Amino acid sequence: GDSVTQMEGPVTLSEEACLTINCTYTATGYPSLFWYVQYPGEGLQLLLKATKADDKGSNKGFEATYRKETTSFHLEKGSVQVSDSAVYFCALIGTGNQFYFGTGTSLTVIP
Amino acid sequence: DARVTQTPRHKVTEMGQEVTMRCQPILGHNTVFWYRQTMMQGLELLAYFRNRAPLDDSGMPKDRFSAEMPDATLATLKIQPSEPRDSAVYFCASGLSFPGSPNTGELFFGEGSRLTVL
Repeated sequence: GDSVTQMEGPVTLSEEACLTINCTYTATGYPSLFWYVQYPGEGLQLLLKATKADDKGSNKGFEATYRKETTSFHLEKGSVQVSDSAVYFCALIGTGNQFYFGTGTSLTVIP
Repeated sequence: DARVTQTPRHKVTEMGQEVTMRCQPILGHNTVFWYRQTMMQGLELLAYFRNRAPLDDSGMPKDRFSAEMPDATLATLKIQPSEPRDSAVYFCASGLSFPGSPNTGELFFGEGSRLTVL
């Protein structure tokens, strides 16, 4: 079945460090891929998405490229800020138009 | 500013009591999802509705949980009787889905209902 596997956390970085959170997927067909972010005490909100191979989603300095050959959608940011501290979820729309979420990766950025 | 509204935001109850959580999806959205989030299990899908019809509730314990959409503006999740292991944050999310389309786009989440069962 369809599924998403993302890097285990927690991740702790110093401000201005580079971030990569790995995400790989298993799906039939060509799913749309997403990164959601959850700030403390809030619900999830869409960070970025990509709907077809080689598409790059970007938002708030974060980027992720839909790689069909490696079935990956890694999240990257060149310089993280304290305000980026949150839990990040990789997700896809799969069979039956249902969303499949990864387990989430907690990021803490320290000044 | 369109958003998904969940009530109550916080609920503390005793084991055995009935708990009802409500969700108002964004007007015009035709899909509604209920998720449960815990530290141990992460985000679990409990139920999924499209055009008010339940499409998937395989993740929901049937003996005590029930989910309904009495109309397009209200989704409910009920637990009866509640147990301490039901303590979690319950999220409702809504979105748009068109049959035959491979891309349903963004899901909008509510702020969650934090349930504590003593």
